Amino acid sequence: RKEVEQDPGPFNVPEGATVAFNCTYSNSASQSFFWYRQDCRKEPKLLMSVYSSGNEDGRFTAQLNRASQYISLLIRDSKLSDSATYLCVVTNVQRDSNYQLIWGAGTKLIIKP
Amino acid sequence: GAVVSQHPSRVICKSGTSVKIECRSLDFQATTMFWYRQFPKQSLMLMATSNEGSKATYEQGVEKDKFLINHASLTLSTLTVTSAHPEDSSFYICSAVTGTSPSDTQYFGPGTRLTVL
Repeated sequence: RKEVEQDPGPFNVPEGATVAFNCTYSNSASQSFFWYRQDCRKEPKLLMSVYSSGNEDGRFTAQLNRASQYISLLIRDSKLSDSATYLCVVTNVQRDSNYQLIWGAGTKLIIKP
Repeated sequence: GAVVSQHPSRVICKSGTSVKIECRSLDFQATTMFWYRQFPKQSLMLMATSNEGSKATYEQGVEKDKFLINHASLTLSTLTVTSAHPEDSSFYICSAVTGTSPSDTQYFGPGTRLTVL
């Protein structure tokens, strides 16, 4: 089992629809969680950190369920510009106190007009 | 937000040559920098974690003698791909963080596309 798993995608969604991404992680001691987006042939950019209480930023809502060890990202009223690959990132603290970033494989989103 | 630059953005080289990629944090001091590699249609793969003034920590399967990392200052880390071969062709991306907390944001460089002929 991969440490961080995401929906394989791609998601083909009409403009204006709501899209949900899920990400599961295997280490129950994982500490921090992020969603990044990556456009084709570009570097990843931070979309949102994910907090235990859930957080919202405009059309984007991120939630964390520690009991079930999954993170979700919801995009409402999707725009053409939302087309990208969405990456889930989990941070684990190692024994030497250094932390380890584990990246999901990403889910590609294609918004169609 | 913080800015990280990478140089060069694109490089094409012959098999057997060495290529150096620079990663700079332009407006902040980076305690830790990360080097990633991404093959087409695949996710980022962490290669190594680099802390200023100490040896880099390499991920399993990454050859430290082939991918030399130097983090000489809080604003500069370099990755040298030694004796590059076509299978080393990839998108190399660095990122930098300002602190030591797992919740610190990573700031990514724009990446370097390496093509080895």
